[in-house]
Amino acid sequence: AQSVTQPDIHITVSEGASLELRCNYSYGATPYLFWYVQSPGQGLQLLLKYFSGDTLVQGIKGFEAEFKRSQSSFNLRKPSVHWSDAAEYFCAVGAKTSYDKVIFGPGTSLSVIP
Amino acid sequence: NAGVTQTPKFQVLKTGQSMTLQCAQDMNHEYMSWYRQDPGMGLRLIHYSVGAGITDQGEVPNGYNVSRSTTEDFPLRLLSAAPSQTSVYFCASSPTQGNQPQHFGDGTRLSIL
Repeated sequence: AQSVTQPDIHITVSEGASLELRCNYSYGATPYLFWYVQSPGQGLQLLLKYFSGDTLVQGIKGFEAEFKRSQSSFNLRKPSVHWSDAAEYFCAVGAKTSYDKVIFGPGTSLSVIP
Repeated sequence: NAGVTQTPKFQVLKTGQSMTLQCAQDMNHEYMSWYRQDPGMGLRLIHYSVGAGITDQGEVPNGYNVSRSTTEDFPLRLLSAAPSQTSVYFCASSPTQGNQPQHFGDGTRLSIL
Protein backbone atom coordinates (compact mmCIF):
# COMPACT_ATOMS: atom_id res chain seq x y z
CA ALA A 1 0.00 0.00 0.00
CA GLN A 2 1.15 3.50 -0.75
CA SER A 3 1.73 5.57 2.34
CA VAL A 4 3.72 8.34 3.93
CA THR A 5 4.79 8.28 7.55
CA GLN A 6 6.16 11.10 9.62
CA PRO A 7 7.35 9.46 12.82
CA ASP A 8 7.43 12.64 14.89
CA ILE A 9 4.06 14.14 15.72
CA HIS A 10 5.59 17.11 17.48
CA ILE A 11 9.13 18.50 17.74
CA THR A 12 10.45 21.36 19.85
CA VAL A 13 13.76 23.04 19.07
CA SER A 14 15.52 26.16 20.29
CA GLU A 15 15.94 29.09 17.97
CA GLY A 16 19.26 28.81 16.17
CA ALA A 17 19.45 25.04 16.54
CA SER A 18 19.47 22.68 13.59
CA LEU A 19 16.36 20.83 12.51
CA GLU A 20 15.63 17.52 10.86
CA LEU A 21 12.10 16.32 10.18
CA ARG A 22 11.74 12.71 9.15
CA CYS A 23 9.66 11.31 6.32
CA ASN A 24 9.40 7.73 5.11
CA TYR A 25 7.31 6.54 2.21
CA SER A 26 6.02 3.39 0.63
CA TYR A 27 5.29 3.83 -3.07
CA GLY A 28 5.16 1.34 -5.94
CA ALA A 29 6.34 3.62 -8.74
CA THR A 30 9.24 6.05 -8.95
CA PRO A 31 8.28 8.59 -6.30
CA TYR A 32 8.01 12.31 -6.66
CA LEU A 33 8.49 13.80 -3.20
CA PHE A 34 7.40 17.08 -1.67
CA TRP A 35 7.53 19.03 1.56
CA TYR A 36 4.88 21.58 2.48
CA VAL A 37 4.60 23.99 5.39
CA GLN A 38 1.39 25.21 6.96
CA SER A 39 1.37 28.25 9.21
CA PRO A 40 -1.55 28.56 11.65
CA GLY A 41 -4.80 29.48 9.94
CA GLN A 42 -3.32 29.31 6.48
CA GLY A 43 -3.09 26.95 3.56
CA LEU A 44 -0.09 24.84 2.66
CA GLN A 45 2.96 26.29 0.96
CA LEU A 46 5.27 24.16 -1.16
CA LEU A 47 8.78 24.21 0.34
CA LEU A 48 10.59 21.97 -2.11
CA LYS A 49 10.19 19.01 -4.41
CA TYR A 50 12.25 16.13 -5.75
CA PHE A 51 11.59 14.66 -9.16
CA SER A 52 14.96 13.25 -10.24
CA GLY A 53 18.69 14.02 -10.37
CA ASP A 54 20.62 15.37 -7.42
CA THR A 55 19.26 13.73 -4.31
CA LEU A 56 19.86 16.84 -2.20
CA VAL A 57 17.31 19.49 -3.09
CA GLN A 58 17.16 23.07 -1.98
CA GLY A 59 13.92 24.82 -1.19
CA ILE A 60 12.61 28.12 -0.01
CA LYS A 61 13.20 29.64 3.44
CA GLY A 62 16.60 27.94 3.79
CA PHE A 63 15.24 24.37 3.84
CA GLU A 64 16.77 21.39 2.11
CA ALA A 65 15.83 17.73 1.84
CA GLU A 66 17.72 14.59 0.93
CA PHE A 67 16.23 11.67 -0.96
CA LYS A 68 17.59 8.29 0.09
CA ARG A 69 16.12 5.56 -2.06
CA SER A 70 17.68 2.73 -0.01
CA GLN A 71 15.97 3.99 3.13
CA SER A 72 12.75 5.18 1.44
CA SER A 73 13.25 8.49 3.17
CA PHE A 74 13.04 12.16 2.31
CA ASN A 75 14.08 14.07 5.43
CA LEU A 76 13.79 17.83 5.68
CA ARG A 77 16.61 19.85 7.23
CA LYS A 78 17.48 23.38 8.17
CA PRO A 79 20.84 24.41 9.70
CA SER A 80 19.48 27.16 11.95
CA VAL A 81 15.83 27.47 12.90
CA HIS A 82 14.09 30.83 13.24
CA TRP A 83 11.07 31.49 15.45
CA SER A 84 9.00 32.08 12.31
CA ASP A 85 9.59 28.46 11.27
CA ALA A 86 7.10 27.27 13.89
CA ALA A 87 4.40 25.56 11.83
CA GLU A 88 3.06 22.22 10.66
CA TYR A 89 5.15 20.38 8.08
CA PHE A 90 3.79 17.82 5.66
CA CYS A 91 5.66 15.34 3.54
CA ALA A 92 3.93 14.09 0.40
CA VAL A 93 4.62 11.56 -2.35
CA GLY A 94 3.20 11.30 -5.84
CA ALA A 95 3.76 9.91 -9.31
CA LYS A 96 4.78 11.70 -12.48
CA THR A 97 1.42 11.76 -14.20
CA SER A 98 -1.02 11.05 -11.41
CA TYR A 99 -2.24 14.27 -9.89
CA ASP A 100 -4.80 12.33 -7.92
CA LYS A 101 -2.18 10.07 -6.40
CA VAL A 102 -0.40 12.66 -4.24
CA ILE A 103 -0.47 11.22 -0.73
CA PHE A 104 0.17 13.40 2.29
CA GLY A 105 1.71 12.33 5.55
CA PRO A 106 0.02 13.15 8.87
CA GLY A 107 2.29 16.10 9.55
CA THR A 108 4.87 17.15 12.14
CA SER A 109 4.18 20.14 14.33
CA LEU A 110 7.27 22.26 15.02
CA SER A 111 7.58 24.54 18.03
CA VAL A 112 10.50 26.93 18.38
CA ILE A 113 11.74 28.12 21.78
CA PRO A 114 13.10 31.67 21.65
CA ASN B 1 -2.43 38.78 -7.54
CA ALA B 2 -4.87 37.10 -5.16
CA GLY B 3 -3.85 33.48 -5.83
CA VAL B 4 -6.42 30.99 -4.55
CA THR B 5 -9.42 32.47 -2.74
CA GLN B 6 -11.81 30.41 -0.65
CA THR B 7 -15.11 31.52 0.82
CA PRO B 8 -16.46 31.35 3.42
CA LYS B 9 -13.67 31.03 6.01
CA PHE B 10 -15.98 29.56 8.64
CA GLN B 11 -19.37 27.88 8.44
CA VAL B 12 -21.66 26.01 10.80
CA LEU B 13 -24.34 23.76 9.36
CA LYS B 14 -27.00 21.49 10.69
CA THR B 15 -27.11 17.84 9.67
CA GLY B 16 -28.93 17.48 6.37
CA GLN B 17 -28.32 21.00 5.13
CA SER B 18 -26.55 21.62 1.85
CA MET B 19 -24.04 24.27 0.98
CA THR B 20 -21.36 25.25 -1.52
CA LEU B 21 -17.78 26.09 -0.71
CA GLN B 22 -16.38 28.52 -3.21
CA CYS B 23 -12.89 28.43 -4.71
CA ALA B 24 -11.46 30.81 -7.29
CA GLN B 25 -7.96 31.27 -8.69
CA ASP B 26 -6.63 34.06 -10.88
CA MET B 27 -3.45 32.36 -12.11
CA ASN B 28 -5.03 30.61 -15.12
CA HIS B 29 -4.10 27.23 -13.63
CA GLU B 30 -5.51 24.14 -15.28
CA TYR B 31 -5.36 21.85 -12.26
CA MET B 32 -7.60 22.47 -9.26
CA SER B 33 -8.46 20.24 -6.35
CA TRP B 34 -10.27 20.00 -3.04
CA TYR B 35 -8.80 18.43 0.09
CA ARG B 36 -10.07 17.90 3.57
CA GLN B 37 -7.73 18.09 6.54
CA ASP B 38 -8.46 16.13 9.68
CA PRO B 39 -6.24 15.89 12.77
CA GLY B 40 -3.48 13.30 12.44
CA MET B 41 -4.49 12.37 8.90
CA GLY B 42 -2.82 14.93 6.68
CA LEU B 43 -4.77 16.01 3.64
CA ARG B 44 -7.06 13.72 1.67
CA LEU B 45 -8.15 14.43 -1.86
CA ILE B 46 -11.90 14.79 -2.39
CA HIS B 47 -12.23 15.80 -6.06
CA TYR B 48 -9.98 17.28 -8.65
CA SER B 49 -10.14 18.83 -12.10
CA VAL B 50 -7.55 18.90 -14.88
CA GLY B 51 -9.36 21.62 -16.82
CA ALA B 52 -12.68 23.30 -17.48
CA GLY B 53 -15.42 20.73 -17.98
CA ILE B 54 -13.34 17.86 -16.56
CA THR B 55 -13.62 16.54 -13.01
CA ASP B 56 -12.72 13.30 -11.28
CA GLN B 57 -12.96 11.67 -7.88
CA GLY B 58 -10.19 11.54 -5.35
CA GLU B 59 -9.77 9.40 -2.26
CA VAL B 60 -12.86 10.52 -0.31
CA PRO B 61 -15.53 11.76 -2.78
CA ASN B 62 -18.70 10.47 -1.11
CA GLY B 63 -21.11 13.19 -0.05
CA TYR B 64 -19.46 15.84 -2.20
CA ASN B 65 -20.05 17.15 -5.70
CA VAL B 66 -17.99 19.44 -7.93
CA SER B 67 -18.21 21.17 -11.28
CA ARG B 68 -15.74 23.16 -13.35
CA SER B 69 -17.54 25.43 -15.78
CA THR B 70 -14.66 27.93 -15.98
CA THR B 71 -10.90 27.76 -15.50
CA GLU B 72 -11.12 30.13 -12.55
CA ASP B 73 -13.82 28.54 -10.38
CA PHE B 74 -14.09 25.13 -8.73
CA PRO B 75 -16.95 25.00 -6.20
CA LEU B 76 -17.44 22.10 -3.80
CA ARG B 77 -20.99 21.14 -2.87
CA LEU B 78 -22.06 19.25 0.20
CA LEU B 79 -25.28 17.56 -0.78
CA SER B 80 -26.60 16.63 2.68
CA ALA B 81 -24.21 17.57 5.45
CA ALA B 82 -23.22 14.94 8.02
CA PRO B 83 -21.19 15.34 11.25
CA SER B 84 -18.43 13.23 9.65
CA GLN B 85 -17.88 16.07 7.19
CA THR B 86 -16.77 18.41 9.96
CA SER B 87 -13.29 19.34 8.77
CA VAL B 88 -11.09 22.02 7.31
CA TYR B 89 -11.37 22.18 3.54
CA PHE B 90 -8.62 23.41 1.25
CA CYS B 91 -8.72 24.26 -2.41
CA ALA B 92 -5.49 24.06 -4.38
CA SER B 93 -4.29 24.76 -7.89
CA SER B 94 -1.28 24.17 -10.08
CA PRO B 95 -0.31 24.98 -13.68
CA THR B 96 -0.69 22.41 -16.42
CA GLN B 97 2.86 21.25 -16.18
CA GLY B 98 2.73 20.77 -12.41
CA ASN B 99 2.07 17.37 -10.96
CA GLN B 100 1.30 18.38 -7.42
CA PRO B 101 -0.80 21.09 -5.78
CA GLN B 102 1.26 24.27 -5.64
CA HIS B 103 -1.01 27.03 -4.42
CA PHE B 104 -3.46 26.59 -1.58
CA GLY B 105 -6.26 28.76 -0.32
CA ASP B 106 -6.47 29.64 3.36
CA GLY B 107 -9.15 27.04 4.01
CA THR B 108 -12.77 26.81 5.09
CA ARG B 109 -13.42 25.55 8.60
CA LEU B 110 -16.74 23.68 8.51
CA SER B 111 -18.67 22.35 11.48
CA ILE B 112 -21.69 20.11 11.11
CA LEU B 113 -23.96 19.89 14.14
